[in-house]
Amino acid sequence: DAKTTQPNSMESNEEEPVHLPCNHSTISGTDYIHWYRQLPSQGPEYVIHGLTSNVNNRMASLAIAEDRKSSTLILHRATLRDAAVYYCILLTGGYNKLIFGAGTRLAVHP
Amino acid sequence: NAGVMQNPRHLVRRRGQEARLRCSPMKGHSHVYWYRQLPEEGLKFMVYLQKENIIDESGMPKERFSAEFPKEGPSILRIQQVVRGDSAAYFCASSPRAKQGGNTEAFFGQGTRLTVV
Repeated sequence: DAKTTQPNSMESNEEEPVHLPCNHSTISGTDYIHWYRQLPSQGPEYVIHGLTSNVNNRMASLAIAEDRKSSTLILHRATLRDAAVYYCILLTGGYNKLIFGAGTRLAVHP
Repeated sequence: NAGVMQNPRHLVRRRGQEARLRCSPMKGHSHVYWYRQLPEEGLKFMVYLQKENIIDESGMPKERFSAEFPKEGPSILRIQQVVRGDSAAYFCASSPRAKQGGNTEAFFGQGTRLTVV
């Protein structure tokens, strides 16, 4: 499975935008870039995914570099509820065998 | 449409007993996955099942652990003769049939927290 690299932790202030980076220099042409997050004491939660083009949904935006070797998850206005561990995962094949790394622990300050 | 339902939420077992964890996938989902999260560690894939079939069990410990997803009813993760090292949070996820490889999201339950005493 292709590997991703994320910072261990990041901090943000409430209502400010947050940019969470992910490097995946060995990504293959068929790998989708997925983001999940895990709030304290809860199960993981799907955030967003994409292949080549930037993606937007109600939770976040995903910006994918032109060479696909990196991507950025964008939370447009952080709230206290966004404090979680965010995982960037590459996924290919026909099913959701998610390989979780250490992720980025996001702290949001009031 | 109810989400992925796991029960029990908390389970306490003595060493040597059996633990049975249940997972009901989202309506219409035919793919079920089990993950384990040991204390202060990351999430690890255990097994992937479709109805009546184990597709990928590469993350399952070789002994004492088994999983099934019968034609009717929930998926079951069974741990026989539990030991203290089995204490962890066990998460189930489900997904619909993949539209295209890697192009489908997974939905997770709230987990079962197993404590072995």
